[in-house]
Amino acid sequence: GEDVEQSLFLSVREGDSSVINCTYTDSSSTYLYWYKQEPGAGLQLLTYIFSNMDMKQDQRLTVLLNKKDKHLSLRIADTQTGDSAIYFCAESISDYKLSFGAGTTVTVRA
Amino acid sequence: DGGITQSPKYLFRKEGQNVTLSCEQNLNHDAMYWYRQDPGQGLRLIYYSQIVNDFQKGDIAEGYSVSREKKESFPLTVTSAQKNPTAFYLCASSTQGTGPGEQYFGPGTRLTVT
Repeated sequence: GEDVEQSLFLSVREGDSSVINCTYTDSSSTYLYWYKQEPGAGLQLLTYIFSNMDMKQDQRLTVLLNKKDKHLSLRIADTQTGDSAIYFCAESISDYKLSFGAGTTVTVRA
Repeated sequence: DGGITQSPKYLFRKEGQNVTLSCEQNLNHDAMYWYRQDPGQGLRLIYYSQIVNDFQKGDIAEGYSVSREKKESFPLTVTSAQKNPTAFYLCASSTQGTGPGEQYFGPGTRLTVT
């Protein structure tokens, strides 16, 4: 089946780390993605991870993949006010199709 | 600047009217996509096109139609048969399928039908 689940909301204090979690169902997914959407805008790819990796780090972003549990997480270090947005987890389910989660709204408070 | 443009940003229509949403890209991408976004839901794929003059239905194609006559253009028509057309519509493009080739998104069109 194709179903990606995320918690809907996360509130974090400026300077702390944010961790956004995601579970997916398609064990054959080759790539898993994290996208960011700012208010009223399109989505921007933040990072992706190939399914044979268990971790990827890119500046303040760390992606962890537990393929056995089909669990993906995105950690944002030193969260800033500009990180307030909706974050979508997505899995590739075929060559041209992605399955998106409902998105996690991250609110950064001073 | 390369990118994807969608116009208009806001669109209002009366129930029963067809409406066409524009999507243009100058990234020289072969593949283009249309998604629908509703509050509290992920993006759902309406149609996608891998190459000019070819397109496939996504998960929620009923009540929508597309054309791909030019590589850079992929317009979406929301027909009167679409039961609940009010939504935020996003167009995207990519160089290839869903490998590491990133899907680039346009800014979206918010359609309100009353």
